[in-house]
Amino acid sequence: EVQLVETGGGLVQPGRSLKLSCVASGFTFNNYWMSWTRQAPGKGLEWVASITNSGGSTYYPDSVKGRFTISRDNAQNTLYLQMNSLRSEDTATYYCTRATTVAFDYWGQGVMVTVSS
Amino acid sequence: DIQMTQSPASLSASLGETVTIECLASEDIYSNLAWYQQKPGKSPQLLIYYANSLNDGVPSRFSGSGSGTQYSLKINSLQSEDVSIYFCQQNYDSPPTFGSGTKLEIK
Repeated sequence: EVQLVETGGGLVQPGRSLKLSCVASGFTFNNYWMSWTRQAPGKGLEWVASITNSGGSTYYPDSVKGRFTISRDNAQNTLYLQMNSLRSEDTATYYCTRATTVAFDYWGQGVMVTVSS
Repeated sequence: DIQMTQSPASLSASLGETVTIECLASEDIYSNLAWYQQKPGKSPQLLIYYANSLNDGVPSRFSGSGSGTQYSLKINSLQSEDVSIYFCQQNYDSPPTFGSGTKLEIK
């Protein structure tokens, strides 16, 4: 059974940093691209970052480019999201997602990040 | 970025009815369209990919169709467990983008 378990969320002040982790199990982690997708309270879904299966390439939307960094440790089956210079608009539930060429086929339970003073 | 316009924003239907949710892309996405179901308080789950391919374990009362810029999700014989928010998502071009969601309730 595929499982994605996120940790690391919490309350953080604007301008500060936070690092999310996602431990994957139930599939061969290094065969898949992985992504982070977020959902602001009561809002829709926004893709945040993707990383290739080797970790050699990363992709971001303009809204987080230069502030967020996605990375992975294939030996530990773990995906990360380093978030710097956080803003109030980054407040959301962050989901770790397995990415295929056709869809995000598995989602974690999500972790809440609140950016507020 | 490709814009995904989803309609209606909310929908109320009776048990056993058939409902349809629409998704319009701002340009041709060549059937690279997925549908997700988000039950209350839960994370999204993949229902349909490539416009009309049912994901494993998804009941056959769900179906997807469409091409070009216009796509739809149909739910036959509505059940109480179908109460959810449904999102479409294009996977044709980066960044992947989502529709704003359709909230489905039971009358």
